[in-house]
Amino acid sequence: GAVVSQHPSRVICKSGTSVKIECRSLDFQATTMFWYRQFPKQSLMLMATSNEGSKATYEQGVEKDKFLINHASLTLSTLTVTSAHPEDSSFYICSARRASSAGELFFGEGSRLTVL
Amino acid sequence: AQKITQTQPGMFVQEKEAVTLDCTYDTSDQSYGLFWYKQPSSGEMIFLIYQGSYDEQNATEGRYSLNFQKARKSANLVISASQLGDSAMYFCAMRGLRDSGGGADGLTFGKGTHLIIQP
Repeated sequence: GAVVSQHPSRVICKSGTSVKIECRSLDFQATTMFWYRQFPKQSLMLMATSNEGSKATYEQGVEKDKFLINHASLTLSTLTVTSAHPEDSSFYICSARRASSAGELFFGEGSRLTVL
Repeated sequence: AQKITQTQPGMFVQEKEAVTLDCTYDTSDQSYGLFWYKQPSSGEMIFLIYQGSYDEQNATEGRYSLNFQKARKSANLVISASQLGDSAMYFCAMRGLRDSGGGADGLTFGKGTHLIIQP
């Protein structure tokens, strides 16, 4: 099956620093990638949709200047949490849609961010 | 707008019994896809099963089957012969499959059901 890899899986940073999370589709081209955020014991909330070569589309309530998304190639999307604060601590998961796939999305392993 | 409702926050089931996880949805889309994912404590999302809104047959994947009742807007997941390794969070999700283009939409998730299989 298709593989999506996220890196890093865990990151701890100081308040005020920026953190970059990578999402790679390893064996397929992903025309669209999605970034989700999951709070403890809660569901996943879609943050933004990332299309290769164009600006990301953010969901309502998500600060685009806080969560920078870049989708520079068909296999890589990055999420940068800028000037991170403790309330940004969360589990971030990406998913990718294969160009030939009708419905299925493939998820990364997730990245747990802890901001001290 | 799309909405997914999972009314069971948690369920305890004896090993080897069958279990049904409820999911109802609301959408104005004519075409849509319904998904079930399993999330163990490690956090990864594991795809289980998919049902398209125009699929006439209920989807099945091994021990997983989806009881799709379109008129009632329900898409319950049935796990037969439950195993200890089935203990996890289970999320129902949907995505509109619009033909108008503009790229794919992300999934809308329900709040999840925490399934615990007891020996």
